[in-house]
Amino acid sequence: GAGVSQSPSNKVTEKGKDVELRCDPISGHTALYWYRQSLGQGLEFLIYFQGNSAPDKSGLPSDRFSAERTGGSVSTLTIQRTQQEDSAVYLCASSVMGQGYGYTFGSGTRLTVV
Amino acid sequence: AQKVTQAQTEISVVEKEDVTLDCVYETRDTTYYLFWYKQPPSGELVFLIRRNSFDEQNEISGRYSWNFQKSTSSFNFTITASQVVDSAVYFCALSGTGGGNKLTFGTGTQLKVEL
Repeated sequence: GAGVSQSPSNKVTEKGKDVELRCDPISGHTALYWYRQSLGQGLEFLIYFQGNSAPDKSGLPSDRFSAERTGGSVSTLTIQRTQQEDSAVYLCASSVMGQGYGYTFGSGTRLTVV
Repeated sequence: AQKVTQAQTEISVVEKEDVTLDCVYETRDTTYYLFWYKQPPSGELVFLIRRNSFDEQNEISGRYSWNFQKSTSSFNFTITASQVVDSAVYFCALSGTGGGNKLTFGTGTQLKVEL
């Protein structure tokens, strides 16, 4: 597609359940990023995939969070045993690989844990 | 460690006023990039500009201009003759050499332009 696609756009889940968030980047963009935006807050880095290199997972807040990128394209962010503090908008972005390139962001997934 | 500070949480102006959004950054890298993104009420972040650390020329794009000053570690953004459509949250961001293209964002400035 022409842009970064994220699904679902909204997700309400019960505390303790697992959720999967999907990101489909722009074709040809070899770098993919996940960020989290809590209400009224800035963007918190979660994880970064760059080509075939090992991902930078330094931003994942706990071992309940994981992400994978299959075939260098679609990525899935999984949150296990969700907690209320996981409620946020999860943003995916992609870019051409290399430093200094601007990101194209998706519309985000709004996750609400009740 | 890298850090971006946007001290202005919220700014309100009347249409046609000029407004400057401040951004101060910290990095030990000699090569780095600075960015501004706009997040309108619809929520999707839009890339506005990128500037590398070796280029201190100011940039103007229509009503938007950016002032990059390494001496004060600042990359300020000015909107001239603001319009209601400029109402959004604006984020400043930084990427350094060590983190690939990972961006560190400021906490954003909410700009409200009223009639």
